[in-house]
Formats: sequence, structure tokens, C-alpha cells
Amino acid sequence: DAGVIQSPRHEVTEMGQEVTLRCKPISGHDYLFWYRQTMMRGLELLIYFNNNVPIDDSGMPEDRFSAKMPNASFSTLKIQPSEPRDSAVYFCASLSLRDKGRGVGYTFGSGTRLTVV
Amino acid sequence: ELKVEQNPLFLSMQEGKNYTIYCNYSTTSDRLYWYRQDPGKSLESLFVLLSNGAVKQEGRLMASLDTKARLSTLHITAAVHDLSATYFCAVDIWDGNKLVFGAGTILRVKS
Repeated sequence: DAGVIQSPRHEVTEMGQEVTLRCKPISGHDYLFWYRQTMMRGLELLIYFNNNVPIDDSGMPEDRFSAKMPNASFSTLKIQPSEPRDSAVYFCASLSLRDKGRGVGYTFGSGTRLTVV
Repeated sequence: ELKVEQNPLFLSMQEGKNYTIYCNYSTTSDRLYWYRQDPGKSLESLFVLLSNGAVKQEGRLMASLDTKARLSTLHITAAVHDLSATYFCAVDIWDGNKLVFGAGTILRVKS
């Protein structure tokens, strides 16, 4: 299994531009999570999906952020318009509820390092 | 709201020494996770602790869980330089499936 795949690995964009981050979860996993990591705030949960349905988006900072999961193998996190304070590492993670019961944890992707200048 | 606190936040150790990282959490949960993160890298799962009294060991690291005290520990035995990394604990919410992370402990092992 290739694990959770995120793209791009690095993104540098100018303030005001639209940014789209992508995630492919592990096949068969029924939960998908988007986290943001910054020095100041640590790892924050932005939104998570169960079977492609958004369950909790209370961590999404503001309306500039949106996330979709059109099918079980793909999710996007979009920021429009981007601002310098959005600069962070964005991680996607996935989870199989069945595996969780057997003691397998959440699996994280390699992350996307976003820099907004 | 579930809160997870780790201490210390920074730990500088000599090689060969022992130390413990503590993780406290605020509400009922019986699943606790430890992750390791190297600079610029993703989070690597170290331990999944599923029940009260659970103890797991891998090499020089040993993790334990006391759900009554809402406390987990990560014990480092005879530290080596390769253990230098940031260590996170994370807790599931009681009736859901999302992780809340502690702030992380930056571990530096000096030769």
C-alpha cells in the first residue's frame, strides 16, 4: 500500500491566489482528516469526513477554507483567497474503523508545506 | 472540550540517560496514540494504547496508559542520538473518531 498520498509536497503562492491541496487516502479507509500544523498552534484538526460525508468542520478557520471529498479515493482542501497567515504544513490522514478496533492507528500523509507570500 | 497536555515541551538529554514524557488529557477516552515526527517529515505512529493499564514497548521506548488518571507516559531508556525528534501524544474523543494532539515534546539527545 502506498499510504496516504498528498500533493503537492510544497506550494508557494502569492497572497490572494487560490490554492488547492490534494489527498488520496488509503484504499478501504472510511475516515479522512485534514490537519494543519504551525509552530504557534501545533496540530489542529480542520475537518473530517466519514464515507465521503463531512462530519465536523468546526476547525475550518474561516470561509476562505473549503474541503470536498467527491469519492472515496480523493479529497481537496481549497483556500481562496490565500493569506500569509495560512502558511503552514497541511496533513491529510485516513483511518479504517475496522483496523482501529484492532489497534491500528491513524495514518498520515507526507504533508503539503504551503507558503503564502 | 478535550484538551491534551504534554510535558516537558522540550527535553535535552545526554546519551545513555533515562527520561519520561508525560501526557495528560481532560475527558474520558480509552485510546491514546504516540507519534514521532522528524524535522520536515510526517507523523509516524509509534504506539496505540487501547485500554487501561496497557503497556507497549519498542526498542528503547515504552508507553503506558492509565485511563483513571487520564495519563500516559512515554519512557525513554538509555537514550541514543537517533531518538532525537518531536514526540506527540494524541487522544480520541470518547464517542468519535478524531484525534486531538498535545503540543509535542522536542527531544534532543546529546552525545
